[in-house]
Amino acid sequence: GQQLNQSPQSMFIQEGEDVSMNCTSSSIFNTWLWYKQEPGEGPVLLIALYKAGELTSNGRLTAQFGITRKDSFLNISASIPSDVGIYFCAGPRVFGNEKLTFGTGTRLTIIP
Amino acid sequence: DTGVSQNPRHKITKRGQNVTFRCDPISEHNRLYWYRQTLGQGPEFLTYFQNEAQLEKSRLLSDRFSAERPKGSFSTLEIQRTEQGDSAMYLCASSLIPGSGETDTQYFGPGTRLTVL
Repeated sequence: GQQLNQSPQSMFIQEGEDVSMNCTSSSIFNTWLWYKQEPGEGPVLLIALYKAGELTSNGRLTAQFGITRKDSFLNISASIPSDVGIYFCAGPRVFGNEKLTFGTGTRLTIIP
Repeated sequence: DTGVSQNPRHKITKRGQNVTFRCDPISEHNRLYWYRQTLGQGPEFLTYFQNEAQLEKSRLLSDRFSAERPKGSFSTLEIQRTEQGDSAMYLCASSLIPGSGETDTQYFGPGTRLTVL
């Protein structure tokens, strides 16, 4: 089963608001990946984090690799309608073993 | 667009029938992965190939499932004697073998949604 817990499970926000979500694990991850999935489509990679403490941005998205290596955070600033979707964190459970473990997902809904 | 492609996008079948899905990875990507995603869950790893070699299979992959990548390019996933529990989105991803100390970055296709009646 999955070992990555994401919170919140769902969010309803107004357009223009900032969004914060996080992902936690009981075990250490050496890489954190954030994906976004829209209905009927596969996940699309947003941000990849490779080092503890790393802070990386991709446009309005900013993600951080937690110092304990057991958590990661994703922030979206000034949300827009196309941000709607499900956001998944993911990572390889064992370094050098490339299969990904995915989180439970955070569903983002934007109210116009 | 030279991303990962999957066919068919949707498949409806009756219980007991066999189905086969195809995945075409990004050109020159030597790793190819299959994942399964059920409603409300994140994708779960099934199996992966490095070139034509199948290097790992999940316990989720029962004997009714078989995957191939005969020439190290496209891959097929076959499910024999389908069951209603096989209904899911089947996702394919591809990547390049990473350098030392790096993790590969997997790019996903749009998936094949299977419905078993």
